[in-house]
Amino acid sequence: DQQVKQNSPSLSVQEGRISILNCDYTNSMFDYFLWYKKYPAEGPTFLISISSIKDKNEDGRFTVFLNKSAKHLSLHIVPSQPGDSAVYFCAASRYNFNKFYFGSGTKLNVKP
Amino acid sequence: DVKVTQSSRYLVKRTGEKVFLECVQDMDHENMFWYRQDPGLGLRLIYFSYDVKMKEKGDIPEGYSVSREKKERFSLILESASTNQTSMYLCASTRSLYNSPLHFGNGTRLTVT
Repeated sequence: DQQVKQNSPSLSVQEGRISILNCDYTNSMFDYFLWYKKYPAEGPTFLISISSIKDKNEDGRFTVFLNKSAKHLSLHIVPSQPGDSAVYFCAASRYNFNKFYFGSGTKLNVKP
Repeated sequence: DVKVTQSSRYLVKRTGEKVFLECVQDMDHENMFWYRQDPGLGLRLIYFSYDVKMKEKGDIPEGYSVSREKKERFSLILESASTNQTSMYLCASTRSLYNSPLHFGNGTRLTVT
């Protein structure tokens, strides 16, 4: 039972353009959401998070949007750079719960 | 910066061997986790620990056990390795179980032959 889903296994974007990675969740109790970036043979690196009291959070080129009614979050990368090429995982958790649920990942390829 | 260190980057073991994967964090985090990552399946939780000597099963604990004798160290044990345990194993820690991100180690790529 996958409670966090990333339906696009891969995404290809031209350098300088916007990358939009999507994530859907099924559990309305989730209230903390995160994005991680993973290069091959390395562990995931935390990128950005958002709590359910917000609908947007920005950090430099990265912005996460949360639509609670649609149970959907997205990560925008602007402008995309070749070094952004990696697998991106979204994750979710909730208060007083000991698990982080991860999506299956989206492989982003930014072409020079 | 939080540093989570996994003792081995690559391991090759034989079926039936007992395997120890070690993880150390340097930020005095209470909570530590072991995940495995497989293509198309994302990260799946094996075990986690919220304090020394405390542990809880995750989603896929079968065939694994853990040990947390010191706060900074969390070990994953494969009692009798099998080929279906070939995977990338990721250790993580976090200060709090709420509104605090997981910090991951670089992973151990385990191959069981």
